[in-house]
Amino acid sequence: GAGVSQSPRYKVAKRGQDVALRCDPISGHVSLFWYQQALGQGPEFLTYFQNEAQLDKSGLPSDRFFAERPEGSVSTLKIQRTQQEDSAVYLCASSTGGAFGNSPLHFGNGTRLTVT
Amino acid sequence: RKEVEQDPGPFNVPEGATVAFNCTYSNSASQSFFWYRQDCRKEPKLLMSVYSSGNEDGRFTAQLNRASQYISLLIRDSKLSDSATYLCVVTLYNQGGKLIFGQGTELSVKP
Repeated sequence: GAGVSQSPRYKVAKRGQDVALRCDPISGHVSLFWYQQALGQGPEFLTYFQNEAQLDKSGLPSDRFFAERPEGSVSTLKIQRTQQEDSAVYLCASSTGGAFGNSPLHFGNGTRLTVT
Repeated sequence: RKEVEQDPGPFNVPEGATVAFNCTYSNSASQSFFWYRQDCRKEPKLLMSVYSSGNEDGRFTAQLNRASQYISLLIRDSKLSDSATYLCVVTLYNQGGKLIFGQGTELSVKP
């Protein structure tokens, strides 16, 4: 079956532009996560949805970052007024859910954002 | 201090070698433990879960020491295809399965 799909695969933005990154999770997966991965580092948690509810946004680095999942399936991560430090790979992952972390996460290929 | 810390890399080993990666975590409320593998410019993929009693999957053995808050991964008879970054991962109790990743340790297996 289809895995987690992210688009675009690559995005180049000029500093100050707004960007929107899309994630299509695996059908039926309740939980959806966004991670940010800088070069040479492990993924850093940004935010988590259970269905349409955003249960944890503690990892969003500033109020320029906003995520939504209005119908409990597709999610969008929006970054306003992009800065050079936003350059990273943005990974989306989904799982069948459960509060105790025993469901494996399935990651998408990521969106590589470069801010010039 | 980062919540999950790993051995600095890279590890460069010959084919057939045995290599061990170590990881420590700071939050004693950590609930579940995993090793993920990430190939260059690819997404992370689950390699194996780590259980309290230790577990083995072919050439890979994972160990957990809750008292010391320490996790390890042992790879025996390493193959060229094992070259990747290995990420130590923990989840915290009742936080929806949020994974907390270490920075990763790069492994390069040479012929």
